Amino acid sequence: EPEVTQTPSHQVTQMGQEVILRCVPISNHLYFYWYRQILGQKVEFLVSFYNNEISEKSEIFDDQFSVERPDGSNFTLKIRSTKLEDSAMYFCASSRTGAFYGYTFGSGTRLTVV
Amino acid sequence: AQKVTQAQTEISVVEKEDVTLDCVYETRDTTYYLFWYKQPPSGELVFLIRRNSFDEQNEISGRYSWNFQKSTSSFNFTITASQVVDSAVYFCALSESGANSKLTFGKGITLSVRP
Repeated sequence: EPEVTQTPSHQVTQMGQEVILRCVPISNHLYFYWYRQILGQKVEFLVSFYNNEISEKSEIFDDQFSVERPDGSNFTLKIRSTKLEDSAMYFCASSRTGAFYGYTFGSGTRLTVV
Repeated sequence: AQKVTQAQTEISVVEKEDVTLDCVYETRDTTYYLFWYKQPPSGELVFLIRRNSFDEQNEISGRYSWNFQKSTSSFNFTITASQVVDSAVYFCALSESGANSKLTFGKGITLSVRP
């Protein structure tokens, strides 16, 4: 069964550093998402992306965050200057047409900011 | 705006007990989708079920069953004869019908099944 692949599985970074989280969505999917889960809390929507642009973003997704689909296969989330509170699990998801066909989640990247 | 409420935060049962996880949702849409995900200690999100708003038929899959009631805006999940491997966090989630719609998750219920 096709999978969404996220790399790395765990990243440790120093506060103030830039990080890029990478995702390879399923090849025939058109909609891409990033979600965040702070330890012990619920999964929160960050941003959705379609046709090479952001479709919707949450209040969490401020100017420190950006997304890109640089080469038609990867989908990246960049955090420009990490803060301690950015420590969380970040999930990438993709979908053919949203809820109708459902969403496929990657295994997540655990980001630890020290 | 859409909202999912999982009022239970932690449930502990002994193996072989039945357990029901509650989910109540709010949405203004007439067409929407409800989901349950399992998050084991390893951290990934495991898809369990998707149900659309027009299909109120209850579903059973092995030891798992789901009860969808539009009248009470609830989509409850029952595990029959629970096992230690069922120990996980369970999330209920809601998505509206648009092609690019996002998932809104509840806070999750931590289920511990003791031997």
